[in-house]
This record gives sequence, structure tokens and C-alpha cells, in this order.
Amino acid sequence: ELKVEQNPLFLSMQEGKNYTIYCNYSTTSDRLYWYRQDPGKSLESLFVLLSNGAVKQEGRLMASLDTKARLSTLHITAAVHDLSATYFCAVSFEGAQKLVFGQGTRLTINP
Amino acid sequence: NAGVTQTPKFQVLKTGQSMTLQCAQDMNHEYMSWYRQDPGMGLRLIHYSVGAGITDQGEVPNGYNVSRSTTEDFPLRLLSAAPSQTSVYFCASSYTNSLGRAFFGQGTRLTVV
Repeated sequence: ELKVEQNPLFLSMQEGKNYTIYCNYSTTSDRLYWYRQDPGKSLESLFVLLSNGAVKQEGRLMASLDTKARLSTLHITAAVHDLSATYFCAVSFEGAQKLVFGQGTRLTINP
Repeated sequence: NAGVTQTPKFQVLKTGQSMTLQCAQDMNHEYMSWYRQDPGMGLRLIHYSVGAGITDQGEVPNGYNVSRSTTEDFPLRLLSAAPSQTSVYFCASSYTNSLGRAFFGQGTRLTVV
């Protein structure tokens, strides 16, 4: 059974600081996703990571994948308030129609 | 481009009632899925479909039925609602290509009393 664990589950940080969210998964998967969810809203796709060593960056967010360690990270650089949201990682065996999600990390960025 | 459209957005049911959550996508995606989101548990897969006429169970299928008669539509039916089905339900769709990024609908918040 594929399990996905994120940590931390809650993160409160100040603007301008850097931090990393970790996503561990239990068995081999062919791809890993990061999503963002604002309160009461849907999920917005951030990154799709397909291979070992993959790194993707958009703005202040950077995601990486280490398939040997079964670990993905989402790094936040110089955080700003607009990045406050819940971030989910998800892994799949058979493409995006079967995703197993982590519990989510609720990120709050304070001025 | 509407993307993935779910209706209704909110619903209150009494225990034992039945209802159908609607999901439609206009991106010609082969894959469609239903998830439920409960506090502290992320999203869990209920049912999914890889194309019209083909459906399969996910992690938490009990109490739910699905069908896929067209590429565009993937309704989720609750046969006899229970309080344990109180949740936020999301429909998602995606292509079968290597990226396979899933697009999610806006969600349906269901309360069973």
C-alpha cells in the first residue's frame, strides 16, 4: 500500500524567511505532484516531477525529487504573505487518475 | 474554457437520502476521478475512469457508485447517504500523456445530517 507523509503539517513563518516542506512516500512511484489549495478553494497544480533528480522552479517555490530516497521537497525562498495556503504532495502508480495524497502542510506566512 | 465543472457547490442531505454529484469537463481528457477531502487526511480516491464505459474503484469506494457514459461526464452517486459521507468532494480530469497533470473542479461540500 502506497503511503505518503508530509512534514511539517503546520508551518508558521515570517516573511522573508526560507523553509522546506518534505514529502516521503513508501513505495516506488512513477511521478510526483505538488498542489496548492487556498481555503475553501480547489487544488491548483504547481509541479509535476517525473524522474530522479528532477528540479522545477516557479517564482519563490522550488520542488525536487529523489526517487532513491523516496523523497520530494518543496522549498520556499524569501516567503511572502501570498504564499499562505495548504500544500499537498501526491504520488501515482498509473498516471494522474490515481493519486495518493499526503496530509497537506498548512503554511501561514506572517508579515 | 470552463475546465472541470462540479455541481452543486453545497448540499445538505438527510441520512438515507440519495443524490448525484455532477462532474463535467470540456478538455477531452480520458481520465476522470473522484476524491473526498476530510480534515487532516488529504484527499482520498473514491472511483476513477480511464475512458468512457470504464470505471474502477479507488481507496474508499463503499457507498458510492459511478458511471462514465461519455468522455465529458463522470457523475458520483450516493445511494443512501450516511453522516460518515459528510465531506468535500472533488472531481479531477487529466490526459494520458507523460505529464498527466490533474485538473480539479471547485468541489462540492456535502453535509449529511
